[in-house]
Amino acid sequence: AQKVTQAQTEISVVEKEDVTLDCVYETRDTTYYLFWYKQPPSGELVFLIRRNSFDEQNEISGRYSWNFQKSTSSFNFTITASQVVDSAIYFCALEGYGNKLVFGAGTILRVKS
Amino acid sequence: DTEVTQTPKHLVMGMTNKKSLKCEQHMGHRAMYWYKQKAKKPPELMFVYSYEKLSINESVPSRFSPECPNSSLLNLHLHALQPEDSALYLCASSQDPTGLADNEQFFGPGTRLTVL
Repeated sequence: AQKVTQAQTEISVVEKEDVTLDCVYETRDTTYYLFWYKQPPSGELVFLIRRNSFDEQNEISGRYSWNFQKSTSSFNFTITASQVVDSAIYFCALEGYGNKLVFGAGTILRVKS
Repeated sequence: DTEVTQTPKHLVMGMTNKKSLKCEQHMGHRAMYWYKQKAKKPPELMFVYSYEKLSINESVPSRFSPECPNSSLLNLHLHALQPEDSALYLCASSQDPTGLADNEQFFGPGTRLTVL
């Protein structure tokens, strides 16, 4: 069975702070994909990143960075110098064989000015 | 065109009504999905269509009836819904129905459904 755990239900930070959202996954598939999605109050799910199981390189995109470690089954997401517009629900997700995307419970991020 | 569109944006219906949600994509994707999302919860998969055929039904009640008339269009027909069916309904599409290679799912903005 596949499972994604986002242990942080809600995080509050002050603008310009760095924040890391944790994601731990479980799967028996050898090939799988990991994703992060952002869902602002407007409701649309916004794709942030996809990482396949064979690529453990960390990635940086502007203020966003991701740390993938297969040894600990983690795919953590860091926002540097957070902004109020980063306030949203962030979902980590896993897709293995069978075309099914399994989401974590989500982390609500509140960035205060 | 890299977007998935959904209509209507909002829908209010009574328990005896029949309504339909519509989803459209023009990216040539061959897999399309319906998800249900309650407030502050993750999306839950309902149905998957691969090459216009229903490939996954996550034990969804029969009051929800999906339809895929062609490779660009996905409908969700609603009948005799309950108030607990009120939620955000998200449609998504992806390129590869086999589920692995470059299979990013593109999500639509959703239809916010309220059942009275």
